Amino acid sequence: EAQLVQPVGDLVRPGESLRLSCDGPGFIFSHFNMNWVRQAPGRGLEWLAYISGGSTVIHYADSVKGRFIVSRDNSKRSLFLRLNDVRVEDTGIYYCARQTDVGFWIDLWGQGTLVTVSS
Amino acid sequence: DNQMTQSPSSLSASVGDTVIITCRARHDISNSLAWFQQKPGKAPKSLIYATSSLHSGVPSRFSGSGSGTDFTLTISSLQPEDFATYYCQQYKTFPYTFGQGTRLEIK
Repeated sequence: EAQLVQPVGDLVRPGESLRLSCDGPGFIFSHFNMNWVRQAPGRGLEWLAYISGGSTVIHYADSVKGRFIVSRDNSKRSLFLRLNDVRVEDTGIYYCARQTDVGFWIDLWGQGTLVTVSS
Repeated sequence: DNQMTQSPSSLSASVGDTVIITCRARHDISNSLAWFQQKPGKAPKSLIYATSSLHSGVPSRFSGSGSGTDFTLTISSLQPEDFATYYCQQYKTFPYTFGQGTRLEIK
């Protein structure tokens, strides 16, 4: 069964860096484009980043461009998001999400990683 | 950015009711519109893609319609498990954008 597996959570101090991961067992990981979506506490969903299956196309939301870096390792079926110079407002749940291989809609979500930025 | 605006932001309804949630895009997105359901403490769940196509396993009481800039999600004969927050999302152009969400509560 296809699934996206994410660590439960992490705590980081303001100004530090953190790398989130998302593993994709149960399907041909390299065939699928992937996204990161964030949800601040009590808030809605915010799209952050997109990476194509072969890592040739990458897009970011303006709010994180220049600070966050999306990457993937298809040999390990893993997606990553590096958060640099984190801020308190980066606190939230980070979801990885798979786009279908026939269209551009999201069809599968990870369970999310809670990132807490606090001194 | 292509801002997505949902209405209402919250809604109270009873089991068995039919509810309609609307989503408006600032710019034409053709039919590149998806709907997601999220329950408290859980990851979002994909409900509808390409405006009106249901993902596998989604009950037929959910339906979507629209094109261009105006879209609707209709839930017929509400069931207890349908009370949740619903989000629309456009995937026509980057940056992808979500609506602010509609919280559906039990009356």
